[in-house]
Amino acid sequence: EDKVVQSPLSLVVHEGDTVTLNCSYEVTNFRSLLWYKQEKKAPTFLFMLTSSGIEKKSGRLSSILDKKELFSILNITATQTGDSAIYLCAVECNFGNEKLTFGTGTRLTIIP
Amino acid sequence: EAQVTQNPRYLITVTGKKLTVTCSQNMNHEYMSWYRQDPGLGLRQIYYSMNVEVTDKGDVPEGYKVSRKEKRNFPLILESPSPNQTSLYFCASSFLDGYEQYFGPGTRLTVT
Repeated sequence: EDKVVQSPLSLVVHEGDTVTLNCSYEVTNFRSLLWYKQEKKAPTFLFMLTSSGIEKKSGRLSSILDKKELFSILNITATQTGDSAIYLCAVECNFGNEKLTFGTGTRLTIIP
Repeated sequence: EAQVTQNPRYLITVTGKKLTVTCSQNMNHEYMSWYRQDPGLGLRQIYYSMNVEVTDKGDVPEGYKVSRKEKRNFPLILESPSPNQTSLYFCASSFLDGYEQYFGPGTRLTVT
C-alpha cells in the first residue's frame, strides 16, 4: 500500500521565522512529488519534484527531494501571516495509469 | 483505520453512458469534496458538501452531480459523460471546511 506521511501535523511559529515541513513516502514506481498550499477550498500547486538534489525555489519557498532516503522538505523563510495554510504533499506513481497519493498535510500557523 | 474509499479505482466508459463514482468516509466528517486532477491544471474542485443535504458547486461543476443523503457517503454522478471528463478524480473529507483533508485513493476515469 502506497503511503505518504507528513510531519509535523501542526506548527505554530512567529512571523519572520523559518520553517521546514517534511514529507516521507513509500510507494512503488515513483514518478514525482508535488507540494500544494491549501488556504480555502482547493489546494494550489507549489512545486513538482522529480529529480534528487535539485532545489526548486519560488520566492521565500523552496523544496528539495531525496529519492534515496524517500523524502522531501519544503522550506519557508521569513514567514508571513499569509503563509498560514495547510501544506499538502502528494506522490505520483506510474503504473501505466497515473496514481496520486496524498498525505494529510501540515497545518502551519504564523503568529504576527 | 480512518480512511476515505472510492470505487471504482479505474473506469473506462463510452460517451453518454451514465456512471457513478462512490466515496465513503468512516471518520464522521462533516465536510466532503470532489476534485479532478489534470496535468498542468492541478487539483480543481467540482462540488463540496458542508453537511447532509447541503451541497454546493466548486470551480468546475459542469457535467457533474452529487448527493449527500448520508454523512458518510458523497457519490459523484456523471449523467452523460464526455471525453473532456477523462481525468483522475479524488474525494476528500475533513472535520470542517478549512481543516486537514483526508484524500481517497483516486479514480482514474477514461471516457471514449
